[in-house]
Amino acid sequence: AQSVSQHNHHVILSEAASLELGCNYSYGGTVNLFWYVQYPGQHLQLLLKYFSGDPLVKGIKGFEAEFIKSKFSFNLRKPSVQWSDTAEYFCAVNGNDMRFGAGTRLTVKP
Amino acid sequence: ETGVTQTPRHLVMGMTNKKSLKCEQHLGHNAMYWYKQSAKKPLELMFVYSLEERVENNSVPSRFSPECPNSSHLFLHLHTLQPEDSALYLCASSQGGANEQFFGPGTRLTVL
Repeated sequence: AQSVSQHNHHVILSEAASLELGCNYSYGGTVNLFWYVQYPGQHLQLLLKYFSGDPLVKGIKGFEAEFIKSKFSFNLRKPSVQWSDTAEYFCAVNGNDMRFGAGTRLTVKP
Repeated sequence: ETGVTQTPRHLVMGMTNKKSLKCEQHLGHNAMYWYKQSAKKPLELMFVYSLEERVENNSVPSRFSPECPNSSHLFLHLHTLQPEDSALYLCASSQGGANEQFFGPGTRLTVL
C-alpha cells in the first residue's frame, strides 16, 4: 500500500540555521511529489511540487526539495530559516491517489 | 471570493445532531476532496469526487455522507457522530486527480 513517512515530528531551529526535513514514501510506480505548508491559523498551501525533469525543484520562500528515486525520498531544504517559517510542513505523494505524511512542526526561534 | 471556501469555520454538535459542512471552489477545478485532519496523524482522505461522481470512499463510517451537486460545491452531511470524530475537516480541489490540490481553511468540528 502507498504510504508517506516524515521522520521528524518537531524540529526547533534558531534563525539563520539550515533546514532539512525528511520525507520517504513507499510506492513502486510513477509519483508526483509535493510539499505543503500550514502556517498557524492558516490553510494548507503548496510550497513546491515535482512531476518530472530536474529532480531538484525550487519553490516559494527559498525552499527547495530533491527527489532521489533510488531512495524513495523527497527531502525539503532551506539554507537559512527565518522566524516566519514557523509552521507545519507536510509531504504528499500522488501515485494511485494523494497520500500525506503526518507532518513536521518547525519552530524557529528569533 | 477566491480559492476554496468552507463554512462554517467552527461547529460544535451533540452526538444526536444532524449538521452539514459546505465547501465551494472558485477555481474551475473538476475534482473535489474531503479530508480529516487530527493531531499528530496524517491527513486522512475521506471522499473524492471527480466530475461530480464519487470515485473513492476510504471506508468512512456511514455517519458521514458526502454530496456533490455540481463541480463547484461539495457537502459533508453529519449525523449521530462520536466524540472521536472531533477534528479539522478540510476540503480541497484540483484539476485532474494527479495535480496539486488547493485547500480550504477547514471546519473545526467538536462533537460533545
